[in-house]
Parts: sequence; structure tokens; C-alpha cells
Amino acid sequence: RKEVEQDPGPFNVPEGATVAFNCTYSNSASQSFFWYRQDCRKEPKLLMSVYSSGNEDGRFTAQLNRASQYISLLIRDSKLSDSATYLCVVNSSLSGGSYIPTFGRGTSLIVHP
Amino acid sequence: DGGITQSPKYLFRKEGQNVTLSCEQNLNHDAMYWYRQDPGQGLRLIYYSQIVNDFQKGDIAEGYSVSREKKESFPLTVTSAQKNPTAFYLCASSNRPNEQFFGPGTRLTVL
Repeated sequence: RKEVEQDPGPFNVPEGATVAFNCTYSNSASQSFFWYRQDCRKEPKLLMSVYSSGNEDGRFTAQLNRASQYISLLIRDSKLSDSATYLCVVNSSLSGGSYIPTFGRGTSLIVHP
Repeated sequence: DGGITQSPKYLFRKEGQNVTLSCEQNLNHDAMYWYRQDPGQGLRLIYYSQIVNDFQKGDIAEGYSVSREKKESFPLTVTSAQKNPTAFYLCASSNRPNEQFFGPGTRLTVL
């Protein structure tokens, strides 16, 4: 199956910093894209969907570049509570109209005082 | 409240035993998934089901079995054939191709 690649980090940044993560995918037929947040020993939770036009939710901005096959997540004004692992997910279509999600291995973010 | 439940939260198994992990959702989602996560690793797909009475193997299906007799339920059995079953098991559901929602997970430890 096609792959989804992320830099595992950790990204170690001070409070208030801006940090960006990229995620590349190899299947050009991929249909939908998401960023999830996973705290230690917890389940992943949806952070935001990623649309072709880009989308913003407060301090978080996600963008999709189909030509280069990557998605990005920008976090502005980092908070201590942003410390977590960020997973990118790519949904690709299979024959018969079904979809299969592929997860990246995650990027670890540590925000320090 | 709509959501996904998994039980038990912690499970201990002796070598050679089969165990079944429960996953139930009341979100009316068609698709359900089982993942395994090892420490410091990403999620690996075990099995998925796009519709009732149908399921497909994921990347690491060996030593596992599933059933999908009801839309709400997708139990996973970890058989004795799974050589290294100690891991964090996560169940998810979605209305494809939309985002997945995860249950709280089951931590399985083989003694």
C-alpha cells in the first residue's frame, strides 16, 4: 500500500513559537486528508480536515499541495498544551468505491516554557 | 451521547489464550477499523469493514480475526497464533471517506 511519510521529530520549541510540520504521500489518487493529535497513551483525536483551498482554525492552519503531494500543519503562538504527537492521515480510494485511510507515524512536538 | 466504546481498557492474557476485544459505536457509521499501536510507533491497520457482513484484511491481519454481524459492533479476536500481541489496540469508525473517530483503546499485555 502507498505510504505516508512524516518527520518523527521531536520538534522542541519555546512557548509562543511558530512551528510547521509537513507530511508527504505517494498515492496521487488520495481523496481526503486530515491532521490528528494524539496525547501520550490516549487515542488520536481529529484536529482538522485539510482542504485544497487551505483552512484555518484559530492558531492552526492546514494546507494541501496536490501537485507536490504533501500536506502541512502550521501552529502559531505555541502553548504548553500543544505538546503531543501529530498524525497525518490520507484517505485513498480503492476499487469498488471503498476508501482506506493511511496514517503517518506521527511528529512529536514538545513546547517548553 | 454518540461515540465509540471499547472494552476492556486493560486486558491481560496468558500465552496460548485467545481473547476478544469489544468495539461498539452508536454514530451510525458504515465503516469500522482496528489498529494496533506499539510504543513509539504509528498505527498499523489490522482489519477493516466497510459494511455489515463484510470485512477485509489490513497490513497485519495474521493472528487476528474479526466479525461484523451488526453495524454497531466490530469485535477483534487476538488468537494464540499472534506471536507478539502486547500492544495498544484502537478501534475507529467513519462514514467513508470522512474522518475517523476513535475509541479510547484497549491495552493488551501477554503474561
